[in-house]
Amino acid sequence: TQLLEQSPQFLSIQEGENLTVYCNSSSVFSSLQWYRQEPGEGPVLLVTVVTGGEVKKLKRLTFQFGDARKDSSLHITAAQPGDTGLYLCAGENGGSNYKLTFGKGTLLTVNP
Amino acid sequence: DSGVTQTPKHLITATGQRVTLRCSPRSGDLSVYWYQQSLDQGLQFLIQYYNGEERAKGNILERFSAQQFPDLHSELNLSSLELGDSALYFCASSVAGEGTEAFFGQGTRLTVV
Repeated sequence: TQLLEQSPQFLSIQEGENLTVYCNSSSVFSSLQWYRQEPGEGPVLLVTVVTGGEVKKLKRLTFQFGDARKDSSLHITAAQPGDTGLYLCAGENGGSNYKLTFGKGTLLTVNP
Repeated sequence: DSGVTQTPKHLITATGQRVTLRCSPRSGDLSVYWYQQSLDQGLQFLIQYYNGEERAKGNILERFSAQQFPDLHSELNLSSLELGDSALYFCASSVAGEGTEAFFGQGTRLTVV
């Protein structure tokens, strides 16, 4: 069974601070996705990373895929209250089936 | 709005009962996926359909079943419900089965009492 471990599980910071959350696995994934989920809503896709070592930027969010395609990180610069939510990473195992394996998420709270 | 519609939004039912959750994928999407999200287990993949056929199975109980109809909407049937089945059930859709991004509905919150 492929597992994705996310850390930290909970993170509470003040507006303006920087933070990094991690997504680690012992398995190799063909691609990895990051989602943000707000209460009562479904996960919303933020980014997909495909190539080992790839870095993608989305405004204040920076996503990195590990060289071995087993881990990823999400760095947020100058966090804002609107960044509050559950951040989920999901790995795709490729092949003829499309199955996303999700981590349990990091619950981020950004206090004004 | 992701374009994926799930009904109902909330459902309260008693143990032993059977319920059906419905999902309409985004226009043009052929794949539908069902996920269960509970506090202790996170987001768990249940099953995937592609153009009417079952494509992949995850941690789906035998009491649960799903199907995808010719118009591509999907239903998840949960029977002999137990208290532990209380969770958020999400449907997601994507254009194709391989390597494409999934878009999630807002979920159905099932409470079994």
